[in-house]
Amino acid sequence: AQSVTQLGSHVSVSEGALVLLRCNYSSSVPPYLFWYVQYPNQGLQLLLKYTSAATLVKGINGFEAEFKKSETSFHLTKPSAHMSDAAEYFCAVSGNTNAGKSTFGDGTTLTVKP
Amino acid sequence: GAGVSQTPSNKVTEKGKYVELRCDPISGHTALYWYRQSLGQGPEFLIYFQGTGAADDSGLPNDRFFAVRPEGSVSTLKIQRTERGDSAVYLCASSFLVSETQYFGPGTRLLVL
Repeated sequence: AQSVTQLGSHVSVSEGALVLLRCNYSSSVPPYLFWYVQYPNQGLQLLLKYTSAATLVKGINGFEAEFKKSETSFHLTKPSAHMSDAAEYFCAVSGNTNAGKSTFGDGTTLTVKP
Repeated sequence: GAGVSQTPSNKVTEKGKYVELRCDPISGHTALYWYRQSLGQGPEFLIYFQGTGAADDSGLPNDRFFAVRPEGSVSTLKIQRTERGDSAVYLCASSFLVSETQYFGPGTRLLVL
């Protein structure tokens, strides 16, 4: 069984501030973890993924996430928010024994204030 | 090449009717996935294919839902006797191999009146 909890359905930051979007997961097998971004009226796009290599994963657009097994977390960060980062972000988990079945969180809407 | 395409982009139907939703994956991608996304929620896994066969259909909510991929490329999601609760955006994704990056289509927005 696997599940994802995204803490905070809405996060608001000022332009240039740190972005931190939280994701906790549960998985009965070693997990694969993902962050996706969805801009208005666009499809989901992969930001980054963890598949048991380095625990600090760097993605596109300056985002990164750190896999912490002891905390069952995979939080997404970006040092300095840009207006174009405003979107909805989804964390997802799959198991390494059934990698095709992904379970998504309910998403976090990021607002960036000028 | 082109990305994942889904048709129609919008579908309005009446309760009790039958609908088919089509997904054209990226050429050469062997794995294909269907998800359903309701308003305010994340995508919910329905089924995925490895080639022509359904590798995991555990997310299909009931026997009114069925999906096929007869030639290992295009897939059709079929919903019989639609209900208002089926209204959602149906997303399709494909990947070169399972466990590799999934590329999502724009979705089909289904509204059951």
